[in-house]
Amino acid sequence: GAVVSQHPSWVICKSGTSVKIECRSLDFQATTMFWYRQFPKQSLMLMATSNEGSKATYEQGVEKDKFLINHASLTLSTLTVTSAHPEDSSFYICSAPDRSFDYEQYFGPGTRLTVT
Amino acid sequence: GENVEQHPSTLSVQEGDSAVIKCTYSDSASNYFPWYKQELGKRPQLIIDIRSNVGEKKDQRIAVTLNKTAKHFSLHITETQPEDSAVYFCAASRWDSNYQLIWGAGTKLIIKP
Repeated sequence: GAVVSQHPSWVICKSGTSVKIECRSLDFQATTMFWYRQFPKQSLMLMATSNEGSKATYEQGVEKDKFLINHASLTLSTLTVTSAHPEDSSFYICSAPDRSFDYEQYFGPGTRLTVT
Repeated sequence: GENVEQHPSTLSVQEGDSAVIKCTYSDSASNYFPWYKQELGKRPQLIIDIRSNVGEKKDQRIAVTLNKTAKHFSLHITETQPEDSAVYFCAASRWDSNYQLIWGAGTKLIIKP
């Protein structure tokens, strides 16, 4: 199956700083990537859909100026959490559907963000 | 929009017994229904999926059934083992949404030795 990597796997930052998370499709091209946030004991919550070459589509209630998404190429999407606060601490996961595998979704390993 | 409900939220079964988790969806245009297993701190792992042109699919101890008329699908795990303990999520999607997944709330499966 296809592989999606995510970096970093965990990060600790101070309140008010920004953090960038990278999501890469290693062996397929991903015109679309999805960004999720998952709080403990909860389901995955879709934050935004990242589209290569165009603006991301944000879900209702997600601040686009706070969570900046850039889909720079067919294999890379980045999520930048700006002016992070402790309530942004969460598990962030990206995924990408592979068209050559009938759109089966492949997930990155996730990034554990802790804001102090 | 699509809504997926999942039950139960917690399921405790004796090792060796079967476990069944059920999901219902609201959008009749949904045509892809995957099931994921997630262990603590890890990514969701696809364990089985089914498309709307099929009523049942089986892979060793795991099976999924789909009832399009009733708009519900179920995960069946037979001969449960301790390593089956995890959180299981169902999801639904449709081809014209780039297969964006709509997730159930999850079921914590506990296998008692």
